[in-house]
Amino acid sequence: DADVTQTPRNRITKTGKRIMLECSQTKGHDRMYWYRQDPGLGLRLIYYSFDVKDINKGEISDGYSVSRQAQAKFSLSLESAIPNQTALYFCATSDLPQGEQFFGPGTRLTVL
Amino acid sequence: TQLLEQSPQFLSIQEGENLTVYCNSSSVFSSLQWYRQEPGEGPVLLVTVVTGGEVKKLKRLTFQFGDARKDSSLHITAAQPGDTGLYLCAAGSSNTGKLIFGQGTTLQVKP
Repeated sequence: DADVTQTPRNRITKTGKRIMLECSQTKGHDRMYWYRQDPGLGLRLIYYSFDVKDINKGEISDGYSVSRQAQAKFSLSLESAIPNQTALYFCATSDLPQGEQFFGPGTRLTVL
Repeated sequence: TQLLEQSPQFLSIQEGENLTVYCNSSSVFSSLQWYRQEPGEGPVLLVTVVTGGEVKKLKRLTFQFGDARKDSSLHITAAQPGDTGLYLCAAGSSNTGKLIFGQGTTLQVKP
C-alpha cells in the first residue's frame, strides 16, 4: 500500500464550486505539505503544517485553505474554484526540517 | 525571495548521449536534493548533498554540490529511455525549515 495517498486522483469542476482534496499518510510524519504544479513552474508551496496544531501559509495560499484533522490527514480546500486553479496538486510528508519529502500520486484538478 | 533556476527547461536527446542539468541560485543553502518525477506520479528523491564540493554517484547519475553551496549539477552518462522524466532540484533553507523547488527539467531520451 502507498504511504501517501490522495483523493480524488482526478476532478473536473465548475467555476464557483467548493472543492476538497484529501491527503492521508501512514508514514507517521508530523510535517505535511500541499504543493501545486504547473508546467514550467515546478512545485509551489500552498500550505504546510509541522504538527496537528500548526498551519502555515506558503507562497501561493490565496484562494486556498487547509485543515489538519489528525497527524495522518491534511486536507486542501478551494472555497470558490476559479479556472486558473486548474493544476496538478501534490501532498507531501517529511519527518525532518528540509529532509526528504515523500509525495502522494497527485490530484489533477480542472476548473471549467 | 530565494530562487532556484534550473537549466535547461527541456532536453530531448538520443539514447547513449550524455547530458548535464544545472540548478543555480544566488543564495547559500544548507542542503540540496534532486528528485525525479514520472508521468502520473509524485516526485521521488534521488539524492541529497549537504557539503560544498560534494560529489555523489548513483549508477550513471553524478550529482555535484557547488563549493559555495549555491549551485548543483546532475550529469547522466549514456542516457537510456528509462531516464525520461522531470528532474527537480530542491534546496533547504535553514531559517524556514522548508524546501524550495526549481522549475524542473523535462528530459526525453529517444531510443
